[in-house]
Amino acid sequence: EDQVTQSPEALRLQEGESSSLNCSYTVSGLRGLFWYRQDPGKGPEFLFTLYSAGEEKEKERLKATLTKKESFLHITAPKPEDSATYLCAVCNFNKFYFGSGTKLNVKP
Amino acid sequence: KAGVTQTPRYLIKTRGQQVTLSCSPISGHRSVSWYQQTPGQGLQFLFEYFSETQRNKGNFPGRFSGRQFSNSRSEMNVSTLELGDSALYLCASSLGLAGEQSSYEQYFGPGTRLTVT
Repeated sequence: EDQVTQSPEALRLQEGESSSLNCSYTVSGLRGLFWYRQDPGKGPEFLFTLYSAGEEKEKERLKATLTKKESFLHITAPKPEDSATYLCAVCNFNKFYFGSGTKLNVKP
Repeated sequence: KAGVTQTPRYLIKTRGQQVTLSCSPISGHRSVSWYQQTPGQGLQFLFEYFSETQRNKGNFPGRFSGRQFSNSRSEMNVSTLELGDSALYLCASSLGLAGEQSSYEQYFGPGTRLTVT
């Protein structure tokens, strides 16, 4: 069964304290792994797409990496404005499966 | 460039009624996907339309249906509403289909908050 599991469910960091979010997946025929950020009351905001193991992408303080079984979203020196829920999703032959998300709270 | 727009933003309906939600994709985007988001189940894929054809469908009952018009705008319909249909319904658009592009980006609208009483 295709599924996505994210951990931890919630993460509290001090401003500047780097950490990583995990997304493990089982999917037949991975066509892409996606990271989104969602703020309360808003739709998810696209961050990254990763296609193959070993691929990495960066955007400001965020860096996403991909292996054959999981993906990590590394947050370097986070700021309070990085507080949000981060969602991971995989695509299998055009169907999307989302994880339940990691709620990140960065305190000043 | 305007983003994905969804109307209405909020809706309150009674059990047994039906509802139609609308989504306008980013200009030039031909694929529109619909999702249901609830606190208990998270984000769940409903269906995807491309060039007016439903290309993929999630595991939802037949009460949930949709269509896409020639201008890529899409509507989603839910008939015989149940209390459990209360959710945030999100629409997302992209240039093409996820499995057929080497560089795929999907953009979400703000959602329609549906409350069934």
